[in-house]
Amino acid sequence: NAGVMQNPRHLVRRRGQEARLRCSPMKGHSHVYWYRQLPEEGLKFMVYLQKENIIDESGMPKERFSAEFPKEGPSILRIQQVVRGDSAAYFCASSPIRDTNYGYTFGSGTRLTVV
Amino acid sequence: GESVGLHLPTLSVQEGDNSIINCAYSNSASDYFIWYKQESGKGPQFIIDIRSNMDKRQGQRVTVLLNKTVKHLSLQIAATQPGDSAVYFCAENSAQSGGYNKLIFGAGTRLAVHP
Repeated sequence: NAGVMQNPRHLVRRRGQEARLRCSPMKGHSHVYWYRQLPEEGLKFMVYLQKENIIDESGMPKERFSAEFPKEGPSILRIQQVVRGDSAAYFCASSPIRDTNYGYTFGSGTRLTVV
Repeated sequence: GESVGLHLPTLSVQEGDNSIINCAYSNSASDYFIWYKQESGKGPQFIIDIRSNMDKRQGQRVTVLLNKTVKHLSLQIAATQPGDSAVYFCAENSAQSGGYNKLIFGAGTRLAVHP
């Protein structure tokens, strides 16, 4: 029973390029959350998706960032025209239900470095 | 409140001693709390959770205490082992989350266990 799978583990992009981060939830989970972590800080909520729907994107920057969770395939966090400030670790988590009392499991993250 | 980008506070303990990690949370309306452990280069790992209708919960070698009066959460680790060395985060759900877990993370505490 694989956990939450994220790839790539490390991603290097030049300023202005696009970054695509993938997250495959645990089997049977249809709810995905994305968080961002800067060095020496806690995680910050970005977006919550259910299959084919964005439920809450209040933590997403207004420009350049987008997320999707299609009917088939992994959830994708897309960052267009990356800048140095986008360098961070991006984690996703999944859950089988929509619940306020569920400690979801995180993947190992994608560490994005913008050069 | 939101975490600040300062160096993480560090708790140094001897192997075999008990550790206590503290956390002040931000929202008196939060009703679900989680402790996560994060090792270097990995994603946060769920340790233990507690709901606001409880003031204490025990797991294997860990105990979480909740004091809603002063908005304080603590994690106690008994007989600390070298494998416990990591950064520990408390997280609270956002009370306005709309029925799902939109977590707010604390700044984190680094636990260093010495032989």
